[in-house]
Amino acid sequence: GAGVSQSPSNKVTEKGKDVELRCDPISGHTALYWYRQSLGQGLEFLIYFQGNSAPDKSGLPSDRFSAERTGGSVSTLTIQRTQQEDSAVYLCASSSNSYEQYFGPGTRLTVT
Amino acid sequence: AQSVTQLGSHVSVSEGALVLLRCNYSSSVPPYLFWYVQYPNQGLQLLLKYTTGATLVKGINGFEAEFKKSETSFHLTKPSAHMSDAAEYFCAVSDTNAGKSTFGDGTTLTVKP
Repeated sequence: GAGVSQSPSNKVTEKGKDVELRCDPISGHTALYWYRQSLGQGLEFLIYFQGNSAPDKSGLPSDRFSAERTGGSVSTLTIQRTQQEDSAVYLCASSSNSYEQYFGPGTRLTVT
Repeated sequence: AQSVTQLGSHVSVSEGALVLLRCNYSSSVPPYLFWYVQYPNQGLQLLLKYTTGATLVKGINGFEAEFKKSETSFHLTKPSAHMSDAAEYFCAVSDTNAGKSTFGDGTTLTVKP
């Protein structure tokens, strides 16, 4: 079956521009996560959606970052006024009640 | 609150040698534990998981891990390393109440010919 998909796969943007990253989770998965992975680094948790509950935004690094999940399915991560330090791979994962996470291939963001 | 510590950010072994990647966790509730592997330029994929029951769990590609509650550990092993095992490995713990997972910082495994 279809796995988690993310788009775009690569995004190059100029400093100060806004970007939107999209995640399509596995159908029926109630939980959705966004992570950031900088070059050679581990996973940095950004935000977590679980069903209709209020999202856990505790990992968002600044108010330039926001995310929404529409209809309990597709999610969009928005970064406003991008900075060079935002350059990283952004990973999305979804999960059912078994807690194991299924990851998408990621979006590589480069801010020039 | 939960946390994961992976001892050793880089591990290097010879082909055919034992692989041991260490993971210690803390959790206020009975944990679910996971190991994920990330090959270069790819997303993470699940290697194995412990939820309940047998404490020795087997995963893909010949890897296994043992849940030791008394040591709060979930070390990953493979008897004989293969060149294709070179990758980054992440240990994770899930809070079964909140559903949220916490990942370790990862261990990069290098396999020498």
